[in-house]
Amino acid sequence: SQQGEEDPQALSIQEGENATMNCSYKTSINNLQWYRQNSGRGLVHLILIRSNEREKHSGRLRVTLDTSKKSSSLLITASRAADTASYFCATDARFLGAQKLVFGQGTRLTINP
Amino acid sequence: GAGVSQTPSNKVTEKGKYVELRCDPISGHTALYWYRQSLGQGPEFLIYFQGTGAADDSGLPNDRFFAVRPEGSVSTLKIQRTERGDSAVYLCASSLDLAGVETQYFGPGTRLLVL
Repeated sequence: SQQGEEDPQALSIQEGENATMNCSYKTSINNLQWYRQNSGRGLVHLILIRSNEREKHSGRLRVTLDTSKKSSSLLITASRAADTASYFCATDARFLGAQKLVFGQGTRLTINP
Repeated sequence: GAGVSQTPSNKVTEKGKYVELRCDPISGHTALYWYRQSLGQGPEFLIYFQGTGAADDSGLPNDRFFAVRPEGSVSTLKIQRTERGDSAVYLCASSLDLAGVETQYFGPGTRLLVL
């Protein structure tokens, strides 16, 4: 079973616009990560935010975490065609004694030139 | 440096056959993970190795699935008596697995198609 739920499932915007994706999860976490996947193959790690952090930046990426609402958002500013991909949030089940990542179903982002 | 590699990239087999999927983790990474991703879904955890031992195999769907990591580096995922429902992309990841270092680095995956 998958813990995370991404919203929206698909997003299509014009190049240069900002893209916001949301993720909700069910259990307590130590951290939450965002990954990008092109063409259904390997995942690329984007950013990790710990449970005691509220916001984190990396280049054009901004991630927020609200542990009271069990939700996170990923903002990509000034989007580019190369940002077209699927984006997944993943929670670390280490709090429960497990090492695995639990992924959501992903948001398919399309940037139109 | 070299990332996680997986072979083969694609595997087509017939129902009932046996397949092996290989993963070469990043050198020095003690933790290794296998995930399975069906079309339109996120990856789902299969098994986690810490060194040579399987620390958590709770994600393996049934006893047709087995994985080994005999020398604590390369891992092989083995699927017996394949079924059409086993068709998916099988992803391998590795990490340093030190306290406070949780980032997992993924390979490109093996796309398995069972006819």
